[in-house]
Amino acid sequence: AQKITQTQPGMFVQEKEAVTLDCTYDTSDPSYGLFWYKQPSSGEMIFLIYQGSYDQQNATEGRYSLNFQKARKSANLVISASQLGDSAMYFCAMREPFSGFQKLVFGTGTRLLVSP
Amino acid sequence: DGGITQSPKYLFRKEGQNVTLSCEQNLNHDAMYWYRQDPGQGLRLIYYSQIVNDFQKGDIAEGYSVSREKKESFPLTVTSAQKNPTAFYLCASSIDAAVSSGNTIYFGEGSWLTVV
Repeated sequence: AQKITQTQPGMFVQEKEAVTLDCTYDTSDPSYGLFWYKQPSSGEMIFLIYQGSYDQQNATEGRYSLNFQKARKSANLVISASQLGDSAMYFCAMREPFSGFQKLVFGTGTRLLVSP
Repeated sequence: DGGITQSPKYLFRKEGQNVTLSCEQNLNHDAMYWYRQDPGQGLRLIYYSQIVNDFQKGDIAEGYSVSREKKESFPLTVTSAQKNPTAFYLCASSIDAAVSSGNTIYFGEGSWLTVV
C-alpha cells in the first residue's frame, strides 16, 4: 500500500502567486515525521521543511510552510510569492514508522512550473 | 564547504561490468544512505549504514554492494547481477540513524548511470 500520495503530477503558478502542493500519508504509528524536498533539474534533493507528528504548530521556513492536518493525514506544502527559481520537482516523504532507523518513504513527486 | 560529494555525475557502463559510485561527506555524519530514483518515481532505499564497518540492506539491495571503511565514505557498487541498473543514484547522510525529531537527511547531487 502506498504510504505517501502526491496526486498532482504537475502544477502551474504565476510568479509572485502562492501555490499549494498536496501530500497525504498513511500510517498507524503515532510518531512520525514528514519532509518536503525540492529537486531541480540538476538532480540534487534539497531539504525544505520538516514537520513532526507531535509538533503543535505548522512548520515554516521562509517562503515555505507546511499545512499539517493530522486528522486528515495531509501535509501540504505552501509556497508563497513564487519565484522562477521554484520551478522543480517537489517530493513529500515520511520517516517510515517501525523501521527502527531514519528511513524515508517518498511520494512520486509534483512538477511545479512557475511562469513569468 | 560542508556537504555530500558524489562522483562521477554521469557514467556509462557496458552490460556485464561492475561500476562503483563514490560518495563522500564532510558533515561528520554517522549515518549514510543510498537511494535509487527511476523516471516518474520517488526514491527507493538500496543500502544504509549507521556507523563505520556496518551496513544494512534496504528495500532494493539485490545486485548492489557497499562498504563503509571510513566515516566519510560510502561507495556503492552496481554489479552485473543488477538487471536494470540504468537510473539516477542519490547518496545521503544524517547525523545518525536514530528516529528523532528534526534529524534531517541531506542529499548529494546524484549520479546518472546508463547501461549501454
